[in-house]
Amino acid sequence: QKEVEQNSGPLSVPEGAIASLNCTYSDRGSQSFFWYRQYSGKSPELIMSIYSNGDKEDGRFTAQLNKASQYVSLLIRDSQPSDSATYLCAVPGGATNKLIFGTGTLLAVQP
Amino acid sequence: DAGVIQSPRHEVTEMGQEVTLRCKPISGHNSLFWYRQTMMRGLELLIYFNNNVPIDDSGMPEDRFSAKMPNASFSTLKIQPSEPRDSAVYFCASSFAPSFYSNQPQHFGDGTRLSIL
Repeated sequence: QKEVEQNSGPLSVPEGAIASLNCTYSDRGSQSFFWYRQYSGKSPELIMSIYSNGDKEDGRFTAQLNKASQYVSLLIRDSQPSDSATYLCAVPGGATNKLIFGTGTLLAVQP
Repeated sequence: DAGVIQSPRHEVTEMGQEVTLRCKPISGHNSLFWYRQTMMRGLELLIYFNNNVPIDDSGMPEDRFSAKMPNASFSTLKIQPSEPRDSAVYFCASSFAPSFYSNQPQHFGDGTRLSIL
């Protein structure tokens, strides 16, 4: 089992819809979780971090964490074409707690 | 504020040549990370430093790769000799971490797109 798993997509949603991106992780001891957005040809950009169970909202973005199920998700409300990008889930793991990235989910928002 | 600065932005060189990538972290950040990104393998951590000390280099592919951080504001990643399979985008990132074990959001540079012919 990979340490951090994401569906590679592409996930296609119409403009204005809710996009739901999912991520599972294997290290039960992980305490912090991050979502990065990466536009094609650009570097990853941090958009959300979450440290405790439940929901965390920031504008149109909501991160949801369920440690018991080892599951973290990102919801994007009122999706815009400018949200079209690859979304990377990152979770610390291993002996040195290094950040491990999933392979990313490509989101395409259709106008 | 200046972000993480990497140079060069693009590098094209022939197989067997030495390649040196450079990174200046965000001022005040004490953790620095080198990543490699390819379509096949995604974003892989190569090595990271905390307070200029290498903490985890388990991702360094082989002896051809080496990284140094001589001071808090500069790091290099060197490949010698380079091979076509080293072609990738190399990112440097930095964060402020109270200890090497803590995890704080990382801020990425624009990357170096490396092509080995």
